[in-house]
Amino acid sequence: DTAVSQTPKYLVTQMGNDKSIKCEQNLGHDTMYWYKQDSKKFLKIMFSYNNKELIINETVPNRFSPKSPDKAHLNLHINSLELGDSAVYFCASSQVQSRYTFGSGTRLTVV
Amino acid sequence: DAKTTQPPSMDCAEGRAANLPCNHSTISGNEYVYWYRQIHSQGPQYIIHGLKNNETNEMASLIITEDRKSSTLILPHATLRDTAVYYCIVRVSLDSSYKLIFGSGTRLLVRP
Repeated sequence: DTAVSQTPKYLVTQMGNDKSIKCEQNLGHDTMYWYKQDSKKFLKIMFSYNNKELIINETVPNRFSPKSPDKAHLNLHINSLELGDSAVYFCASSQVQSRYTFGSGTRLTVV
Repeated sequence: DAKTTQPPSMDCAEGRAANLPCNHSTISGNEYVYWYRQIHSQGPQYIIHGLKNNETNEMASLIITEDRKSSTLILPHATLRDTAVYYCIVRVSLDSSYKLIFGSGTRLLVRP
């Protein structure tokens, strides 16, 4: 069974569109994260939610809005997509003070 | 910013030990060192972590110097499937949580 699952795996869309990436974890973890990996392969944290509460919000354009309907889900909605948003987005989860478990990533391509 | 520095690339022969160094000279007393790896474009995979004692699990060993300013990840018998980017990370504590700040990592190539 997949511990942290992201959908879709691939997403190709045009500039200006709005899209969402979904993440679900079945590990019972309290905290979830979104990371972005750009073309240079740097992994940067974007957001973190603990029990549906936003606890980390890095310097990310406000076109990006995370939503956590419950502690097992953390979705990422992106408005007005730009070419520079093309990247691989990873969702992760953890229990407090424990290791992160990452999903397999969503490759977003904006054309 | 990442609190660690690693060599950009290394290689080793299959079956031999791979020793991956990491410097974290600004680490604080209660900050853990974590190691993850990323195979191709898959999600990062947890390997091991430690505070000040050496640690060993089924995947690797972690040796942390006494002053905690550096550490070494040891893969005792590297296989071709261990070819990956290895990230050494200092876990940064926040008020109610913590975060992992990834650096640029070491690209390990295991040669046949």
